[in-house]
Amino acid sequence: GAVVSQHPSRVICKSGTSVKIECRSLDFQATTMFWYRQFPKQSLMLMATSNEGSKATYEQGVEKDKFLINHASLTLSTLTVTSAHPEDSSFYICSARRNRAGTEAFFGQGTRLTVV
Amino acid sequence: RKEVEQDPGPFNVPEGATVAFNCTYSNSASQSFFWYRQDCRKEPKLLMSVYSSGNEDGRFTAQLNRASQYISLLIRDSKLSDSATYLCVVIPLSGSARQLTFGSGTQLTVLP
Repeated sequence: GAVVSQHPSRVICKSGTSVKIECRSLDFQATTMFWYRQFPKQSLMLMATSNEGSKATYEQGVEKDKFLINHASLTLSTLTVTSAHPEDSSFYICSARRNRAGTEAFFGQGTRLTVV
Repeated sequence: RKEVEQDPGPFNVPEGATVAFNCTYSNSASQSFFWYRQDCRKEPKLLMSVYSSGNEDGRFTAQLNRASQYISLLIRDSKLSDSATYLCVVIPLSGSARQLTFGSGTQLTVLP
């Protein structure tokens, strides 16, 4: 099946610093990628939809200036958590789908961010 | 009301038991349905798609009831390795990106 690679898998950073997470589709092109956040024992919550060559679409309540998304190519989207705070500590997962109706989504391995 | 609702469990069942999960969705225009499995601290992985006619994959059976707007997952002869969180996923017919909507997940623990 298709593969989505996410990096890094785990990061610990100090409050106030920025962290960049990469999401790559390895064997297919993805004009759209999705970024999710998952807190312990909760479901995945969509943060934003990353669109290649255009601005990302953010869900209500997600600060676009804090969570910067760049989708510069058909195989790479990045999420940068700026000025991280401890409450940003979470599991971040990217997802991409082939551009066909009804097809499954493929997920990156996830990034566990801990802000200390 | 949440778009997709699941009983969070936890379901604790003995090996060999049959267990069923239900998931209800609110958007009648929903088009595609899936069950994903998520192990602790891992990303979700597709377990199976859900078709209108119902479908079976080994010990797993998925069903869709459009009239009542729910999908179900039946696991027969549970194995210890089935312990995980099961997420139902719904994709709407319309929307700018047709993003997946996840249920909160149902936690299953199969006991020896």
